[in-house]
Amino acid sequence: EAAVTQSPRNKVTVTGGNVTLSCRQTNSHNYMYWYRQDTGHGLRLIHYSYGAGNLQIGDVPDGYKATRTTQEDFFLLLELASPSQTSLYFCASSGTIYEQYFGPGTRLTVL
Amino acid sequence: QQKVQQSPESLIVPEGGMASLNCTFSDRNSQYFWWYRQHSGEGPKALMSIFSNGDKKEGRFTAHLNKASLYVSLHIKDSQPSDSALYFCAVNYAQGLTFGLGTRVSVFP
Repeated sequence: EAAVTQSPRNKVTVTGGNVTLSCRQTNSHNYMYWYRQDTGHGLRLIHYSYGAGNLQIGDVPDGYKATRTTQEDFFLLLELASPSQTSLYFCASSGTIYEQYFGPGTRLTVL
Repeated sequence: QQKVQQSPESLIVPEGGMASLNCTFSDRNSQYFWWYRQHSGEGPKALMSIFSNGDKKEGRFTAHLNKASLYVSLHIKDSQPSDSALYFCAVNYAQGLTFGLGTRVSVFP
């Protein structure tokens, strides 16, 4: 089964702080995604990528940057974190654009 | 933009009972439909897909698709406590999948 790992699993930062969330997949999938999950909003797509060096904007990109350094690694960057970015973040990968394999999530708290 | 709506928001089902989850979508050009399940503390996991009109059965789970009515459903037969989870309907669009807000299913012994 497809394996997606995320680190850290939990992160607390202060308003204005810098945060990097990491995601690695070991299945040679071309597509990787970053989502945030919030009660009442479901899963919302932040950024995604078709492959190393490629970046695409999702539905809620404001305040987030992303970088895909290799086929396996996808990072989400919050350069000036705000309390509104307190959320549960999921990374996913896919060999096609349809069946996505999710990581275990990172819970981020911005104080 | 694709809109996906799920109902009910939550569902309480006795063990051994039937759970029925509903999903409507807005884009008539949609072709691929998924049900994802998320247990507490975990990431969502694909449960089953349905691409053609009609029913698709996998074990205790049956998905139904009616593209003309913009409707897809999931039925869980003989519900077990391990089925307690958040269930998402997901529909394809240009950027990948749009997820509904989910239905929380609780199965009590």
